[in-house]
Amino acid sequence: QSALTQPPSASGSPGQSVTISCTGTSRDVGGYNFVSWYQQHPGKAPKLMIYEVSKRPSGVPDRFSGSKSGNTASLTVSGLQADDEADYYCTSYGGSNNLVFGGGTKVTVL
Amino acid sequence: EVQLVESGGGLVQPGGSLRLSCGGSGFTFSDHYMNWVRQAPGKGLEWVGRTRNKAKGYATEYAASVKGRFTISRDDSKNSLYLQMNSLKTEDTAVYFCGREIMGNNYGTCGMDVWGQGTTVTVSS
Repeated sequence: QSALTQPPSASGSPGQSVTISCTGTSRDVGGYNFVSWYQQHPGKAPKLMIYEVSKRPSGVPDRFSGSKSGNTASLTVSGLQADDEADYYCTSYGGSNNLVFGGGTKVTVL
Repeated sequence: EVQLVESGGGLVQPGGSLRLSCGGSGFTFSDHYMNWVRQAPGKGLEWVGRTRNKAKGYATEYAASVKGRFTISRDDSKNSLYLQMNSLKTEDTAVYFCGREIMGNNYGTCGMDVWGQGTTVTVSS
């Protein structure tokens, strides 16, 4: 199972929005609504930001939103804040009882 | 407080074995699917495998890279998850995290909302 494709980096100024893409195939992203997004600060455990494409866990601000179109899922962070600077990973159910992660995107707040 | 705590990491030679543990507290452990995810030094996250809950027969699923070498098990009476790693390779060197899966209406959502702090496994001669 190949990893999902994410851009290696993205950036924005405080208060702006940034959108990260996550491209898979019809066998994973396009075939199931089990896409999740994680935020990871250096040396820390990942934190779930979005699950089932667009659902936010309790405590995650609504500045974080998820969507999907065809084989590509997206995470949008609105109103960028300094603490949003982190690595972001997408993951999807990939069929055959398998989960697959994206390679990660480093978000920089300028 | 809802938390997961991993233990059991260390240095092991190629071909050796190691057993990781993950203890849960503050929630009904038995209700949830539980996952192992690893992260090699400087690299991204990689799903290792998961065990479903009792309602789903404790079924286990593995990434192709570890299938046949790693075994996931759980003991709900002890709120514990395990990862038995055999025939270890240098490329298994990573921080290993356990993660609790958010449950939908009798199904796993594949979203992991509670994570441990990780335990480091180093495979080297």
